[in-house]
Amino acid sequence: DAGVTQSPTHLIKTRGQHVTLRCSPISGHKSVSWYQQVLGQGPQFIFQYYEKEERGRGNFPDRFSARQFPNYSSELNVNALLLGDSALYLCASSGGRSLSGNTIYFGEGSWLTVV
Amino acid sequence: TQLLEQSPQFLSIQEGENLTVYCNSSSVFSSLQWYRQEPGEGPVLLVTVVTGGEVKKLKRLTFQFGDARKDSSLHITAAQPGDTGLYLCAGSHQTGANNLFFGTGTRLTVIP
Repeated sequence: DAGVTQSPTHLIKTRGQHVTLRCSPISGHKSVSWYQQVLGQGPQFIFQYYEKEERGRGNFPDRFSARQFPNYSSELNVNALLLGDSALYLCASSGGRSLSGNTIYFGEGSWLTVV
Repeated sequence: TQLLEQSPQFLSIQEGENLTVYCNSSSVFSSLQWYRQEPGEGPVLLVTVVTGGEVKKLKRLTFQFGDARKDSSLHITAAQPGDTGLYLCAGSHQTGANNLFFGTGTRLTVIP
């Protein structure tokens, strides 16, 4: 069975550009969350989507946005990229809305470098 | 703001030694999870603890959740080179939310 898949795996962007990262959850999972992991730190929560609706948002600026599609896949968009946006972006999926009884599975991430 | 502090941040030990990693917070969590992350990969869940004082064992790994649900520890017995990796603790404040607060991480290296 396929796990959480993310694309692209690596990309380089210039300051001020826009980026779209994509995530396909495990088949049957309806919840998708996005995390940013800066080098040397633990992941930080950005968004959670469940059944195509935003269910949680972390402390990130409005340049960050996301959406979930009817097939439960998700996109993370970042506008006006800054050097500090360089990080590993992780997508996680789980079967339900809450953590109770639901294991969260992470993808391998998308490495974004802003130059 | 890092709600969860892990110590030590770096740990290098010889194969066969024992070690303990600590995860501390001033906040109460409804559940706490431990992950291991390999270079170039996403975190992989090791265990979830939800009850204060709970102890779970996974082969040579022993996890404990503090009585007040503010802290946790991971103890590894007879460490092996395959245990090398980044260990992350992560807590959730609400049982109805999927947003995890991750710790700073402990990078473990086990030398053969």
